[in-house]
Amino acid sequence: DVKVTQSSRYLVKRTGEKVFLECVQDMDHENMFWYRQDPGLGLRLIYFSYDVKMKEKGDIPEGYSVSREKKERFSLILESASTNQTSMYLCASIGVLGLAGEQYFGPGTRLTVT
Amino acid sequence: AQSVTQPDIHITVSEGASLELRCNYSYGATPYLFWYVQSPGQGLQLLLKYFSGDTLVQGIKGFEAEFKRSQSSFNLRKPSVHWSDAAEYFCAVGTTSGTYKYIFGTGTRLKVLA
Repeated sequence: DVKVTQSSRYLVKRTGEKVFLECVQDMDHENMFWYRQDPGLGLRLIYFSYDVKMKEKGDIPEGYSVSREKKERFSLILESASTNQTSMYLCASIGVLGLAGEQYFGPGTRLTVT
Repeated sequence: AQSVTQPDIHITVSEGASLELRCNYSYGATPYLFWYVQSPGQGLQLLLKYFSGDTLVQGIKGFEAEFKRSQSSFNLRKPSVHWSDAAEYFCAVGTTSGTYKYIFGTGTRLKVLA
Protein backbone atom coordinates (compact mmCIF):
# COMPACT_ATOMS: atom_id res chain seq x y z
CA ASP A 1 0.00 0.00 0.00
CA VAL A 2 1.47 3.30 -1.09
CA LYS A 3 2.09 5.84 1.59
CA VAL A 4 2.98 9.49 1.97
CA THR A 5 3.51 10.63 5.53
CA GLN A 6 3.91 14.09 6.98
CA SER A 7 5.75 14.69 10.22
CA SER A 8 2.97 16.52 12.04
CA ARG A 9 -0.80 16.72 11.70
CA TYR A 10 -1.01 19.93 13.73
CA LEU A 11 1.64 22.52 14.41
CA VAL A 12 1.56 25.84 16.27
CA LYS A 13 4.46 28.25 15.83
CA ARG A 14 5.21 31.84 16.70
CA THR A 15 5.79 34.65 14.23
CA GLY A 16 9.41 34.77 13.16
CA GLU A 17 10.21 31.15 13.96
CA LYS A 18 11.85 28.89 11.40
CA VAL A 19 9.50 26.03 10.63
CA PHE A 20 10.27 22.67 9.04
CA LEU A 21 7.57 20.48 7.51
CA GLU A 22 8.71 17.00 6.59
CA CYS A 23 7.26 14.64 4.01
CA VAL A 24 8.31 11.06 3.38
CA GLN A 25 7.11 8.68 0.66
CA ASP A 26 7.80 4.98 0.45
CA MET A 27 7.01 4.47 -3.23
CA ASP A 28 10.43 5.30 -4.68
CA HIS A 29 8.82 8.24 -6.51
CA GLU A 30 11.08 10.76 -8.15
CA ASN A 31 8.66 13.68 -8.09
CA MET A 32 7.35 15.37 -4.99
CA PHE A 33 5.19 18.44 -4.41
CA TRP A 34 4.25 20.86 -1.66
CA TYR A 35 0.84 22.51 -1.82
CA ARG A 36 -0.93 24.99 0.37
CA GLN A 37 -4.69 24.57 0.84
CA ASP A 38 -6.88 27.48 1.88
CA PRO A 39 -10.69 27.76 1.93
CA GLY A 40 -12.00 29.18 -1.31
CA LEU A 41 -8.59 29.00 -2.97
CA GLY A 42 -8.17 25.26 -3.43
CA LEU A 43 -4.65 23.85 -3.66
CA ARG A 44 -1.81 26.09 -4.73
CA LEU A 45 1.60 24.75 -5.65
CA ILE A 46 4.48 26.08 -3.55
CA TYR A 47 7.42 24.02 -4.82
CA PHE A 48 8.10 20.73 -6.47
CA SER A 49 11.10 18.50 -6.92
CA TYR A 50 11.71 16.09 -9.78
CA ASP A 51 14.89 14.55 -8.43
CA VAL A 52 17.22 14.61 -5.47
CA LYS A 53 18.63 18.11 -4.96
CA MET A 54 16.44 19.45 -7.78
CA LYS A 55 13.60 21.88 -7.22
CA GLU A 56 11.29 24.15 -9.13
CA LYS A 57 9.23 27.06 -7.91
CA GLY A 58 5.50 26.71 -8.06
CA ASP A 59 2.91 29.45 -8.07
CA ILE A 60 3.46 30.82 -4.55
CA PRO A 61 7.09 30.22 -3.47
CA GLU A 62 7.60 33.50 -1.63
CA GLY A 63 8.47 32.97 2.02
CA TYR A 64 9.22 29.28 1.52
CA SER A 65 12.17 27.13 0.61
CA VAL A 66 12.59 23.37 0.17
CA SER A 67 15.18 20.68 0.61
CA ARG A 68 15.48 17.28 -1.04
CA GLU A 69 18.61 15.48 0.10
CA LYS A 70 17.17 11.97 -0.23
CA LYS A 71 14.74 10.59 -2.75
CA GLU A 72 12.10 9.69 -0.20
CA ARG A 73 12.12 12.95 1.77
CA PHE A 74 10.99 16.43 0.77
CA SER A 75 11.08 19.22 3.32
CA LEU A 76 9.28 22.55 3.25
CA ILE A 77 10.93 25.37 5.20
CA LEU A 78 9.33 28.58 6.36
CA GLU A 79 12.35 30.78 6.94
CA SER A 80 10.52 33.25 9.19
CA ALA A 81 6.94 32.25 9.82
CA SER A 82 4.24 34.86 9.46
CA THR A 83 0.56 34.80 10.33
CA ASN A 84 -0.43 34.75 6.67
CA GLN A 85 1.27 31.37 6.39
CA THR A 86 -1.34 29.83 8.67
CA SER A 87 -2.76 27.14 6.44
CA MET A 88 -3.06 23.45 5.62
CA TYR A 89 0.04 22.09 3.89
CA LEU A 90 -0.19 19.02 1.70
CA CYS A 91 2.64 16.95 0.32
CA ALA A 92 2.23 14.72 -2.73
CA SER A 93 4.36 12.43 -4.82
CA ILE A 94 4.06 10.93 -8.25
CA GLY A 95 6.07 8.23 -9.93
CA VAL A 96 5.63 9.14 -13.54
CA LEU A 97 5.70 12.88 -14.13
CA GLY A 98 3.33 12.75 -16.99
CA LEU A 99 0.01 14.42 -17.31
CA ALA A 100 -1.86 11.17 -16.80
CA GLY A 101 -0.09 10.31 -13.59
CA GLU A 102 -1.79 10.03 -10.23
CA GLN A 103 -0.55 12.10 -7.34
CA TYR A 104 -0.48 10.44 -3.92
CA PHE A 105 -1.15 12.82 -1.06
CA GLY A 106 -0.17 12.86 2.58
CA PRO A 107 -2.76 13.64 5.28
CA GLY A 108 -1.68 17.26 5.60
CA THR A 109 -0.17 19.47 8.28
CA ARG A 110 -2.36 22.19 9.69
CA LEU A 111 -0.01 25.00 10.66
CA THR A 112 -1.07 27.89 12.86
CA VAL A 113 1.27 30.87 13.22
CA THR A 114 0.48 33.14 16.16
CA ALA B 1 -3.74 30.83 -18.90
CA GLN B 2 -4.87 27.45 -17.76
CA SER B 3 -7.55 27.42 -15.10
CA VAL B 4 -10.12 25.20 -13.45
CA THR B 5 -13.48 26.44 -12.21
CA GLN B 6 -15.77 24.68 -9.80
CA PRO B 7 -18.79 26.97 -9.63
CA ASP B 8 -20.46 25.31 -6.65
CA ILE B 9 -18.79 25.92 -3.30
CA HIS B 10 -21.29 23.85 -1.33
CA ILE B 11 -23.82 21.23 -2.40
CA THR B 12 -26.32 19.42 -0.20
CA VAL B 13 -28.11 16.28 -1.31
CA SER B 14 -30.18 13.64 0.41
CA GLU B 15 -28.83 10.15 0.80
CA GLY B 16 -29.89 8.07 -2.18
CA ALA B 17 -30.28 11.06 -4.47
CA SER B 18 -28.19 11.55 -7.57
CA LEU B 19 -25.23 13.91 -7.62
CA GLU B 20 -23.51 16.05 -10.21
CA LEU B 21 -20.51 18.25 -9.42
CA ARG B 22 -19.50 20.72 -12.07
CA CYS B 23 -16.02 21.43 -13.38
CA ASN B 24 -15.00 23.70 -16.22
CA TYR B 25 -11.45 24.08 -17.47
CA SER B 26 -9.51 26.40 -19.67
CA TYR B 27 -6.65 24.77 -21.53
CA GLY B 28 -5.44 25.12 -25.09
CA ALA B 29 -4.54 21.51 -25.84
CA THR B 30 -6.17 18.20 -25.05
CA PRO B 31 -6.57 18.33 -21.29
CA TYR B 32 -5.61 15.74 -18.75
CA LEU B 33 -8.36 15.89 -16.15
CA PHE B 34 -8.68 14.51 -12.65
CA TRP B 35 -11.19 14.36 -9.82
CA TYR B 36 -9.92 13.99 -6.26
CA VAL B 37 -11.84 13.57 -3.01
CA GLN B 38 -10.74 14.78 0.41
CA SER B 39 -12.50 13.26 3.38
CA PRO B 40 -12.35 15.15 6.68
CA GLY B 41 -8.85 15.06 8.14
CA GLN B 42 -7.44 13.20 5.16
CA GLY B 43 -5.28 13.93 2.16
CA LEU B 44 -6.64 13.84 -1.36
CA GLN B 45 -7.48 10.56 -3.06
CA LEU B 46 -7.85 10.11 -6.80
CA LEU B 47 -11.40 9.22 -7.90
CA LEU B 48 -10.84 9.08 -11.65
CA LYS B 49 -8.91 10.61 -14.51
CA TYR B 50 -9.29 11.27 -18.22
CA PHE B 51 -6.61 11.72 -20.81
CA SER B 52 -7.90 10.06 -23.97
CA GLY B 53 -10.40 7.60 -25.37
CA ASP B 54 -13.92 7.10 -24.11
CA THR B 55 -15.27 10.38 -22.81
CA LEU B 56 -17.21 8.67 -20.03
CA VAL B 57 -14.79 7.61 -17.34
CA GLN B 58 -15.53 5.25 -14.47
CA GLY B 59 -13.83 5.70 -11.13
CA ILE B 60 -13.78 4.31 -7.65
CA LYS B 61 -16.66 4.42 -5.15
CA GLY B 62 -19.25 4.36 -7.93
CA PHE B 63 -18.32 7.74 -9.40
CA GLU B 64 -18.13 8.58 -13.09
CA ALA B 65 -17.29 11.69 -15.08
CA GLU B 66 -17.94 12.81 -18.61
CA PHE B 67 -15.54 14.87 -20.68
CA LYS B 68 -17.29 17.30 -23.01
CA ARG B 69 -14.82 19.16 -25.17
CA SER B 70 -17.44 21.48 -26.66
CA GLN B 71 -18.41 22.69 -23.20
CA SER B 72 -14.91 22.51 -21.67
CA SER B 73 -16.43 20.50 -18.86
CA PHE B 74 -15.62 17.41 -16.85
CA ASN B 75 -18.54 16.92 -14.49
CA LEU B 76 -18.54 14.28 -11.79
CA ARG B 77 -21.64 12.16 -11.23
CA LYS B 78 -22.96 9.48 -8.96
CA PRO B 79 -26.41 7.92 -9.34
CA SER B 80 -27.05 7.34 -5.64
CA VAL B 81 -25.15 9.16 -2.91
CA HIS B 82 -24.18 7.50 0.35
CA TRP B 83 -23.61 9.31 3.64
CA SER B 84 -19.94 8.39 3.45
CA ASP B 85 -19.59 10.49 0.28
CA ALA B 86 -19.70 13.67 2.36
CA ALA B 87 -16.35 15.27 1.61
CA GLU B 88 -14.68 17.95 -0.46
CA TYR B 89 -14.17 17.28 -4.14
CA PHE B 90 -11.48 18.83 -6.30
CA CYS B 91 -11.21 18.92 -10.06
CA ALA B 92 -7.71 19.31 -11.52
CA VAL B 93 -6.04 19.65 -14.90
CA GLY B 94 -2.52 18.57 -15.80
CA THR B 95 -0.58 21.17 -17.72
CA THR B 96 2.75 21.47 -19.46
CA SER B 97 2.95 25.23 -19.18
CA GLY B 98 6.69 25.57 -18.62
CA THR B 99 6.87 22.23 -16.90
CA TYR B 100 4.53 19.54 -15.76
CA LYS B 101 2.22 20.67 -13.03
CA TYR B 102 -1.36 20.36 -11.90
CA ILE B 103 -3.91 23.12 -11.44
CA PHE B 104 -6.68 22.52 -8.96
CA GLY B 105 -10.13 24.02 -8.70
CA THR B 106 -11.29 25.64 -5.50
CA GLY B 107 -13.28 22.60 -4.44
CA THR B 108 -16.92 21.68 -3.81
CA ARG B 109 -17.95 20.62 -0.33
CA LEU B 110 -20.66 17.97 -0.36
CA LYS B 111 -23.06 17.53 2.52
CA VAL B 112 -25.31 14.45 2.61
CA LEU B 113 -28.58 14.51 4.50
CA ALA B 114 -29.78 11.28 6.11
